[in-house]
Amino acid sequence: AQSVAQPEDQVNVAEGNPLTVKCTYSVSGNPYLFWYVQYPNRGLQFLLKYITGDNLVKGSYGFEAEFNKSQTSFHLKKPSALVSDSALYFCAVRGASGTYKYIFGTGTRLKVLA
Amino acid sequence: DAGVIQSPRHEVTEMGQEVTLRCKPISGHNSLFWYRQTMMRGLELLIYFNNNVPIDDSGMPEDRFSAKMPNASFSTLKIQPSEPRDSAVYFCASTPREGHTEAFFGQGTRLTVV
Repeated sequence: AQSVAQPEDQVNVAEGNPLTVKCTYSVSGNPYLFWYVQYPNRGLQFLLKYITGDNLVKGSYGFEAEFNKSQTSFHLKKPSALVSDSALYFCAVRGASGTYKYIFGTGTRLKVLA
Repeated sequence: DAGVIQSPRHEVTEMGQEVTLRCKPISGHNSLFWYRQTMMRGLELLIYFNNNVPIDDSGMPEDRFSAKMPNASFSTLKIQPSEPRDSAVYFCASTPREGHTEAFFGQGTRLTVV
């Protein structure tokens, strides 16, 4: 069965510092991995995805994520955090073979402190 | 394209009443998903459709919940009778059938059952 774990409910980081939001996954076969962001009272917005190829994926708003197959991880990163990055972040996995369900993690609230 | 459109944005209803949530997916998308978001349980997949056919409804909490997709451009999620514990934000998402594409989310319907 597919599953995603986001071990941190909340991450606090000072503005200008690098940030990391952690995600590990479990899926049969090769995974499709996604990061989404949710601002208050809004739907989920797509940030980036890993399908195949380069393990470092770049996405919107300066975010990037590193796929690590041996550690089954897909951590979200940004070199310099902004206060406006404060939001709820979700990692999701979709199996590459047959199943079309997107399974989401429980979310990590990022707070960037000025 | 206007994106995934959900209606209503907010719904307040009394316990025992029937509630119908509506979703219009992005034109050309073949898969549609209904999710429920609560503080306690995070983002839960309720049901998803491929080509208007329900594929997996294992996330539907109980028989009070039902979902239909009569055509490629419309889906409903119905709760009858509603209970206070159904209070949540309900999201609809759509995606092309190909597995490597991201899901596009609507703005959600905030349901409050009093």
